[in-house]
Amino acid sequence: EAGVTQFPSHSVIEKGQTVTLRCDPISGHDNLYWYRRVMGKEIKFLLHFVKESKQDESGMPNNRFLAERTGGTYSTLKVQPAELEDSGVYFCASSQRGNTEAFFGQGTRLTVV
Amino acid sequence: DQQVKQNSPSLSVQEGRISILNCDYTNSMFDYFLWYKKYPAEGPTFLISISSIKDKNEDGRFTVFLNKSAKHLSLHIVPSQPGDSAVYFCAASAGTGNQFYFGTGTSLTVIP
Repeated sequence: EAGVTQFPSHSVIEKGQTVTLRCDPISGHDNLYWYRRVMGKEIKFLLHFVKESKQDESGMPNNRFLAERTGGTYSTLKVQPAELEDSGVYFCASSQRGNTEAFFGQGTRLTVV
Repeated sequence: DQQVKQNSPSLSVQEGRISILNCDYTNSMFDYFLWYKKYPAEGPTFLISISSIKDKNEDGRFTVFLNKSAKHLSLHIVPSQPGDSAVYFCAASAGTGNQFYFGTGTSLTVIP
């Protein structure tokens, strides 16, 4: 069974540009989460989808971040326009409904220069 | 304000000895606790968990202890192996399916 897959693995963009990160969760997992880790700090929650609906988006830093989950399958996280402080590793995780253990993807390392 | 804290950024242990990683939390609503292990350039991998109704959970060489009154949990690895060298994250959630709150991680090095 395929795990959580994230694309791209790395992205380097200039300040002011737009970047879109993609996450393909494990098939059948209703819960999909986005997290971010800024260098050396804790992994911080961004938002949570249950199927295609946003369950909790309290961790989204500001309106430059937009997340979607088309048809309850894959999810995208768009940053527009990117700022220097957006640099970090963005993780996606998924879990089955009713389960607490989440499976993480390998992450996308975003560098804004 | 950080609700889950791992105060030791790093730990070195000799192969074969016990590794003890600690974690403290502040939110009394947390009812599920997990440990994740992370290798460089990979995502966190689930290791072991414990519900707040228990005080101990064991899986092979890994045991997690929960002290609710102290709001403290620990992960014991015995015997430690070089392949255990990684960053270990403590995480907690309040309710099934809700977001995890993570600590900053402890980098464990097991010396052969």
